[in-house]
Amino acid sequence: GENVEQHPSTLSVQEGDSAVIKCTYSDSASNYFPWYKQELGKRPQLIIDIRSNVGEKKDQRIAVTLNKTAKHFSLHITETQPEDSAVYFCAASDRTGTASKLTFGTGTRLQVTL
Amino acid sequence: DGGITQSPKYLFRKEGQNVTLSCEQNLNHDAMYWYRQDPGQGLRLIYYSQIVNDFQKGDIAEGYSVSREKKESFPLTVTSAQKNPTAFYLCASSRDRVYTEAFFGQGTRLTVV
Repeated sequence: GENVEQHPSTLSVQEGDSAVIKCTYSDSASNYFPWYKQELGKRPQLIIDIRSNVGEKKDQRIAVTLNKTAKHFSLHITETQPEDSAVYFCAASDRTGTASKLTFGTGTRLQVTL
Repeated sequence: DGGITQSPKYLFRKEGQNVTLSCEQNLNHDAMYWYRQDPGQGLRLIYYSQIVNDFQKGDIAEGYSVSREKKESFPLTVTSAQKNPTAFYLCASSRDRVYTEAFFGQGTRLTVV
């Protein structure tokens, strides 16, 4: 099955700096890669996703890049703000016959300091 | 208020007892999932269901059971066979085969005493 590795596990940046979180996946058949943000005590929420037919996607200060050959994808947050502080999870979809499931990375705790 | 609802928010159980966690959605989603969240281990898939009356084991299904008798409901039973059941449990749903956004419930924190 799919295995997703995520790095770093913790990341501290100053307000206004950029943050980059990287993930690798093992199953070359995976073709959907979402990123979720989980604030303290709250549910994970989708912030951006990318499909394998696209190399990059941007949404305001957030961007995701995908390298299918190397099997890795990254989240880029520019001009970080204190409200960006949260745990971020990457995921990859793993098709098994007619079913599909999302496999998550272990998460990155981002701390944006003033 | 549309969405996915988990209950209860906090649950305490004595060792050796089975307990059932509720998950209901009114989003008309076909797919539903149960994840377990432990510190430093991310979200691990317990069971998932793509359609009513059908479900598949995830990566850590041992000691858990589910049912999917209705499209809206996907309850998870934590049995006494689960060796380390204390955790935060998250239910999610998506419109179809995971190629669309998964919406999460607020979670149930289960503590075995």
